[in-house]
Amino acid sequence: QSALTQPRSVSGSPGQSVTISCTGTSSDVGTYNYVSWYQQHPGQAPKLMIYDVTKRPSGVPDRFSGSKSGNTASLTISGLQTEDEADYYCCSYAGSYTNWVFGGGTQLTVL
Amino acid sequence: QVHLEESGGGLVKPGGSLRISCAASGFTFTDYYMNWIRQAPGKGLEWVSFISTTSSYIHYADSVKGRFTISRDNGENSLYLQMSSLRAEDTAIYYCATSRGSYRPLDYWGQGTLVTVSS
Repeated sequence: QSALTQPRSVSGSPGQSVTISCTGTSSDVGTYNYVSWYQQHPGQAPKLMIYDVTKRPSGVPDRFSGSKSGNTASLTISGLQTEDEADYYCCSYAGSYTNWVFGGGTQLTVL
Repeated sequence: QVHLEESGGGLVKPGGSLRISCAASGFTFTDYYMNWIRQAPGKGLEWVSFISTTSSYIHYADSVKGRFTISRDNGENSLYLQMSSLRAEDTAIYYCATSRGSYRPLDYWGQGTLVTVSS
């Protein structure tokens, strides 16, 4: 069982917006602003999409945005495109003993 | 361009040992912490270990502590994971990934190497 809770799947049509939630605890998401999101296409390595809750690495489209409220972080993808279909994992720093904890992953289907 | 390439995965019996490697290129290796993250078949991601730029700071997940040893060779731009007392639950794709510090995001990832623990 993963430390962070994500929905197993979400879906949307091209052009729509979807939001993926990531629920942790006061020991991880609720305390640290070090939440990141990773995109993984089948058979490929994960790719960093969002870090420090809201920041986008260079090259990531601004259709991807992150936020956090309390113990729950969220990834919103607006203007869905077919290439956004992938698995998405949230990750949070959880202190110097545990370091990183991940969510179980959410499969995004673009209908 | 950052490139990370894992190697050394394979089939090993329970209780056995294996060393996997990660060759880095396209960036200044000594500027980055290095991490191992694994993904069991059909499952989510699990952080395994990190090592600081000079190997002075090392940390492991509880699930592998005492069985796995991370190391790096800055002269060879390489990262290693020595795995011993392997269990079936260690079966996974093992990815190496860079980070700027212990709590910084995992910027770049390799394609992974599959370790299968089975009799």
